[in-house]
Amino acid sequence: DIQMTQSPSTLSASVGDRVTITCRASQSISSWLAWYQQKPGKAPKLLIYKASSLESGVPSRFSGSGSGTEFTLTISSLQPDDFATYYCQQYDSYFRTFGQGTKVEIK
Amino acid sequence: EVQLVESGGVLVQPGGSLRLSCTASGFTFSNYAMSWVRQAPGKGLDWVSAIGGSGDNTYYADTVKGRFTISRDNSKNTLYLQMNSLRAEDTAVYYCAKDKQWLIDYWGQGTLVTVSS
Repeated sequence: DIQMTQSPSTLSASVGDRVTITCRASQSISSWLAWYQQKPGKAPKLLIYKASSLESGVPSRFSGSGSGTEFTLTISSLQPDDFATYYCQQYDSYFRTFGQGTKVEIK
Repeated sequence: EVQLVESGGVLVQPGGSLRLSCTASGFTFSNYAMSWVRQAPGKGLDWVSAIGGSGDNTYYADTVKGRFTISRDNSKNTLYLQMNSLRAEDTAVYYCAKDKQWLIDYWGQGTLVTVSS
């Protein structure tokens, strides 16, 4: 199984801050990486796919980068609606695995 | 607009069985693989099972293999998850999800399964 490790687990930030979340895969997954946002009591929402492609309708302040085993999600200027938990997920095969999540909290 | 609506989640005793359903709309159901993903209370996301568009190919996480069965009825645009020999650790919100070449692009709102005596 491919293990996904996110860091940090929790991040405290203020509105307007630039935020970066890191995801590391236990083996190369090329660019088969997605990022999701989840708010309490809601289903996850797709933000980024194929490591750096922005899903339709997602604000351009979200961006993704990386390939192989190292990936990042960046929010260029944190907005009030962005306080949530973020998950990376590899989809190199049918056996999808997720990172443990990064909770972005208000500082 | 893609919509996925799960149902069937209830309180069930350990060792019991349950069938979840997911009704899909807004896309050509038979053209897409579908998955179930679960989230235990306060925990992260775990992929459970997937099925190809025709229903011929099925895939399972090791934690549910031999206990859960995924199936679909393309004439009814409905996905199922038959869950047998349920354990306390199966307690979770179960999400139905649409796959696009193994990328999960849409999720349902989830249905809660609680396994407890």
